[in-house]
Amino acid sequence: QQQVKQSPQSLIVQKGGIPIINCAYENTAFDYFPWYQQFPGKGPALLIAIRPDVSEKKEGRFTISFNKSAKQFSLHIMDSQPGDSATYFCAASYGNKLVFGAGTILRVKS
Amino acid sequence: EAQVTQNPRYLITVTGKKLTVTCSQNMNHEYMSWYRQDPGLGLRQIYYSMNVEVTDKGDVPEGYKVSRKEKRNFPLILESPSPNQTSLYFCASNNLAGMEQFFGPGTRLTVL
Repeated sequence: QQQVKQSPQSLIVQKGGIPIINCAYENTAFDYFPWYQQFPGKGPALLIAIRPDVSEKKEGRFTISFNKSAKQFSLHIMDSQPGDSATYFCAASYGNKLVFGAGTILRVKS
Repeated sequence: EAQVTQNPRYLITVTGKKLTVTCSQNMNHEYMSWYRQDPGLGLRQIYYSMNVEVTDKGDVPEGYKVSRKEKRNFPLILESPSPNQTSLYFCASNNLAGMEQFFGPGTRLTVL
């Protein structure tokens, strides 16, 4: 069973667009919510992360919005660029247990 | 350069032939983990280790073994591989529980 549900599976946007990827979780024990970015042939790398006591976190063009009551969080990429084309994974953790969503393949068209 | 290394990067084997995938990190991290990545399923944790000689099961441990005899190394052992273990495997390490994990480059395993 998927403890972290991620949508959409794939997304195509034009350069400059704002792709949004959504995730939902069930387990209220999760206390850390990272997003990982993965390029073909590489391992995932941490992009941005948030704790549940914060509703929004912004780092450069990447923003996480977090809704604790709804148990949902999302990633927004402002002014998206072709170099942002990658697979994005949301995740949730407690202790050293890290649970990933299924991933979203993002393509930014130039 | 701080990194997690895995070997081999690619491996094709046959059902039942024991194999080991090695993982090493040079960041002096306490925690190490193994994941498998399958299309439509994301990454799933196989095993993790909190320190030398301390390991615990993740979500999909069946058919796998691990050991942590040294802090820097965390090998993944498949005693009797089966075709359903064909996957992309990642090793990761982190310094604090629940914090950023650093991933290796991956090992693509095919079991025929």
